[in-house]
Amino acid sequence: QQQVKQSPQSLIVQKGGISIINCAYENTAFDYFPWYQQFPGKGPALLIAIRPDVSEKKEGRFTISFNKSAKQFSLHIMDSQPGDSATYFCAAHNFNKFYFGSGTKLNVKP
Amino acid sequence: DADVTQTPRNRITKTGKRIMLECSQTKGHDRMYWYRQDPGLGLQLIYYSFDVKDINKGEISDGYSVSRQAQAKFSLSLESAIPNQTALYFCATSLGAEERQFFGPGTRLTVL
Repeated sequence: QQQVKQSPQSLIVQKGGISIINCAYENTAFDYFPWYQQFPGKGPALLIAIRPDVSEKKEGRFTISFNKSAKQFSLHIMDSQPGDSATYFCAAHNFNKFYFGSGTKLNVKP
Repeated sequence: DADVTQTPRNRITKTGKRIMLECSQTKGHDRMYWYRQDPGLGLQLIYYSFDVKDINKGEISDGYSVSRQAQAKFSLSLESAIPNQTALYFCATSLGAEERQFFGPGTRLTVL
């Protein structure tokens, strides 16, 4: 049973568009929510992260929106670029362990 | 992350063979993790270790064992490999209570 559910599985966006990836969780004890970016042949790398006491965090073109009451959080990529094409994983942290979503493969068309 | 290395990068083995995947890190981190990645399932935690004498099972530890030979080295063993252990395996590290994890480049394992 996956503790973090991620959607969509794949996403195609035109260059300059907005990419949105969603995650949902049930365990209210989760205390840290990172997003990882993974390019083919590489390990995941931390992109941006948020704690549940904050509703939004922005770093450059990347924004996390966090809805504690709905137990959902999402990654928004503004002005998407072909170089953003990668697989994105959301995750949630509790008691020194991480639980990952199933991943979203993003393809940004030039 | 170049500070976390995994060997081998690719391995093909046969059912029933014992194999070992190795992870080394030069980051000075105390915590190390082994994950398995399957298409459509994300990353699943196999084992984790907070120091040389502290090793813990993750979500999917059956069929796997680990050894923390030193703070910088964490090995994953498949005692008797089976085809459904074909996957991409990642090692990760973190420092103390900081949540940020640093991943190695992965090992692609195929069990025939």
